[in-house]
Amino acid sequence: DTGVSQDPRHKITKRGQNVTFRCDPISEHNRLYWYRQTLGQGPEFLTYFQNEAQLEKSRLLSDRFSAERPKGSFSTLEIQRTEQGDSAMYLCASSLSGTRTGELFFGEGSRLTVL
Amino acid sequence: AQSVTQPDIHITVSEGASLELRCNYSYGATPYLFWYVQSPGQGLQLLLKYFSGDTLVQGIKGFEAEFKRSQSSFNLRKPSVHWSDAAEYFCAVGPLANEKLTFGTGTRLTIIP
Repeated sequence: DTGVSQDPRHKITKRGQNVTFRCDPISEHNRLYWYRQTLGQGPEFLTYFQNEAQLEKSRLLSDRFSAERPKGSFSTLEIQRTEQGDSAMYLCASSLSGTRTGELFFGEGSRLTVL
Repeated sequence: AQSVTQPDIHITVSEGASLELRCNYSYGATPYLFWYVQSPGQGLQLLLKYFSGDTLVQGIKGFEAEFKRSQSSFNLRKPSVHWSDAAEYFCAVGPLANEKLTFGTGTRLTIIP
């Protein structure tokens, strides 16, 4: 399978714990996006990378959130000191810049439940 | 600020009937518009997109959408739905420079026999 893969698919944690999600994009894609989706809502943009550079972060991304893409391939999204409001589906997507298709290829998401 | 409104939270359609899902957008520049579909347990998949040119765009799975600038709308249509079309549908708008998209809240489509 050469699509976008995310791990873990589901994470249950207690409030105050740290969690990390990993995303492996489609191999030739140089852009990688993180979105968050809560129940009954559409995906909301969090941040994106072009190669290893983080180009933009949403105001939704508080100081407890950090994302990296150290070698321009996979990315991690870490949430420190989780809160119940962080419970959501975290979606990763990738794209290829310069193609002017605007198409995002999404992974199946990592669902976070904070107790 | 850009925004997307999908006024219908849930739509139920009989199999074989026609379908129209509504989408209205607010965007300060030339809008680049998309429809994505999300099936249970699967990632979002692009159905179709509009960048410029012909305002009626064709997508996968027999879907089409029409861009109407005067109405700020980009409604999705299908002449005859199949049971496999049951899913959540999201309209989105974004810039050409990247894929930082603003999504609507989605419309859940239920198909009845």
